[in-house]
Amino acid sequence: QSALTQPASVSGSPGQSITISCTGTSSDVGSYNLVSWYQQHPGKAPKLMIYEVTKRPSGVSNRFSGSKSGNTASLTISGLQAEDEADYYCCSYAGSNTLVFGGGTKLTVL
Amino acid sequence: EVQLVESGGGLVKPGGSLRLSCAASGFNFSSYSMNWVRQAPGKGLEWVSSISSSSGYIYFADSVKGRFTISRDNAKNSLYLQMNSLRAEDTAVYYCAKPLRSGLPDFWGQGTPVTVSS
Repeated sequence: QSALTQPASVSGSPGQSITISCTGTSSDVGSYNLVSWYQQHPGKAPKLMIYEVTKRPSGVSNRFSGSKSGNTASLTISGLQAEDEADYYCCSYAGSNTLVFGGGTKLTVL
Repeated sequence: EVQLVESGGGLVKPGGSLRLSCAASGFNFSSYSMNWVRQAPGKGLEWVSSISSSSGYIYFADSVKGRFTISRDNAKNSLYLQMNSLRAEDTAVYYCAKPLRSGLPDFWGQGTPVTVSS
């Protein structure tokens, strides 16, 4: 049950696009299309932004998109806005009815 | 509107016990499995445990196996986490989370903080 690997931080200017990677193994990210992404503002609960790799919940901006290649999933945020500044976590089903999360990525909007 | 409200957190000495509760509303609680996820101060999220809708299937992270138990009362729309033999490394905010049908968490409560310290 090792954590998925995310970059500790990423940054971008308003209007730009950024991508956050989430690297797992063939036992989790690589085996299932069951990857989700969460946004967490300080002191708040996580909010679901992407599920099942590419799907977006109702109410989440279409500036957020997800993808996967092999053992690595990615979250792309286009047209960066100040309110996107937050921590982002990926999550994957890891078999045997367990979940594994990434270590989190701090997004700074410059 | 889905609501999850955790309670029961607090300060406890190493080796002590604590029981967390999560009150659910706004969805058919008895039809969903449920999860507990924790977040240590300044750290990332860690899945702790899950329980199936009828309590027939229960799973734990290796880090808490043998010390924590999970249960639910569908008549009361409530989820519980009994934490025994607590350690300093169990210090975290504990969230209950409702999953999608695929099992991935979609809605989270606001969390209840647990501090294990002498």
